[in-house]
Amino acid sequence: TQLLEQSPQFLSIQEGENLTVYCNSSSVFSSLQWYRQEPGEGPVLLVTVVTGGEVKKLKRLTFQFGDARKDSSLHITAAQPGDTGLYLCAGAGSRSGGSNYKLTFGKGTLLTVNP
Amino acid sequence: NAGVTQTPKFRVLKTGQSMTLLCAQDMNHEYMYWYRQDPGMGLRLIHYSVGEGTTAKGEVPDGYNVSRKKKKQNFLLGLESAAPSQTSVYFCASSYLRGEQYFGPGTRLTVT
Repeated sequence: TQLLEQSPQFLSIQEGENLTVYCNSSSVFSSLQWYRQEPGEGPVLLVTVVTGGEVKKLKRLTFQFGDARKDSSLHITAAQPGDTGLYLCAGAGSRSGGSNYKLTFGKGTLLTVNP
Repeated sequence: NAGVTQTPKFRVLKTGQSMTLLCAQDMNHEYMYWYRQDPGMGLRLIHYSVGEGTTAKGEVPDGYNVSRKKKKQNFLLGLESAAPSQTSVYFCASSYLRGEQYFGPGTRLTVT
């Protein structure tokens, strides 16, 4: 079974603080995506990382793919209330049999940024 | 460009009733998926399609059926005899390459 574990499950911080959320697995993935989901809406793709050690930046969000392609992190600098949402990581193409078009989702980190 | 659309947005069913959820995408994506999302369980794949006329079971297929006759037609998720355990939020998604999926806005289903 391919599992992606996200931590922390819940995170409540004040506006302006920095934070990091983690996505870990025992499986190697060919790529990993991060999604953000706001209440009452579907997940929206933020980024895809493909290469081990890859770092991608999206404004105040920094995404990193682990060297072994088993884990990833999302760092938010100077969080804002608009960053509030459920952050999901999803892996594709696990060597333990997953395909590139089927994703394994983590359960998510629910982030609340208080003004 | 509407992306992925789902109908209906909300539905309440009584146990034993049937219904069909509709999903459409205008991105010409080959792959389409149906998920359910429940608190503490994350997104779980129900059924998916890798192309016109093909469907396959995902992680939690029991109690559901799917249909995708033509690539540009609706991807349908059917509940033949609804049960309270099928109360959930259902998402349709589509993808073209590298597993990047685009999600619809969801259908909130309550079975009483």
